[in-house]
Amino acid sequence: DGGITQSPKYLFRKEGQNVTLSCEQNLNHDAMYWYRQDPGQGLRLIYYSQIVNDFQKGDIAEGYSVSREKKESFPLTVTSAQKNPTAFYLCASTGRGNEKLFFGSGTQLSVL
Amino acid sequence: AQSVTQLDSHVSVSEGTPVLLRCNYSSSYSPSLFWYVQHPNKGLQLLLKYTSAATLVKGINGFEAEFKKSETSFHLTKPSAHMSDAAEYFCVVSFYNQGGKLIFGQGTELSVKP
Repeated sequence: DGGITQSPKYLFRKEGQNVTLSCEQNLNHDAMYWYRQDPGQGLRLIYYSQIVNDFQKGDIAEGYSVSREKKESFPLTVTSAQKNPTAFYLCASTGRGNEKLFFGSGTQLSVL
Repeated sequence: AQSVTQLDSHVSVSEGTPVLLRCNYSSSYSPSLFWYVQHPNKGLQLLLKYTSAATLVKGINGFEAEFKKSETSFHLTKPSAHMSDAAEYFCVVSFYNQGGKLIFGQGTELSVKP
């Protein structure tokens, strides 16, 4: 079955450490997104990519980086510059026309 | 600036009574609009979508929403709430002039009392 796979489900980061969250989709979708979910703040867009080798900053891109070397993969790196990384991170993708957004199961990132 | 606002962070209703979750958007262009639901410890599920066809959109589980361009609103309704409707609901807007960028509202938590 097609879908989006995020890993790991839980991730812990030490001070000054970069960590990478994985997002893979086998839906043949062009567009992929990373959202951060904090209690009471809904989902905020970190980065998004409409095609391979191209991506744009969302509303809260500072302290994060992404790459889109393959259509299927859109990894998110939370850098040491992100001072408040504890949150639930959701990866999503859409097909042509953005008519339906498919979500991964999410990664909960916590700081040790 | 283009944005989406969910007017209530929390709504509480009794089982069997109507549900109204409010969403307003701000845009110079006609957007595509969606409602998603997130149950505790689960992913997001699409309830319904508006993409410039009929202004009254019917979704799953008895929900529907009406697109009102004059009011820039896309409120979600259900005639009779069920206990299983308790969840977080997100209004989402897609703007094609921004390359299909998706913007989420802040979310509305729906509680259903017996």
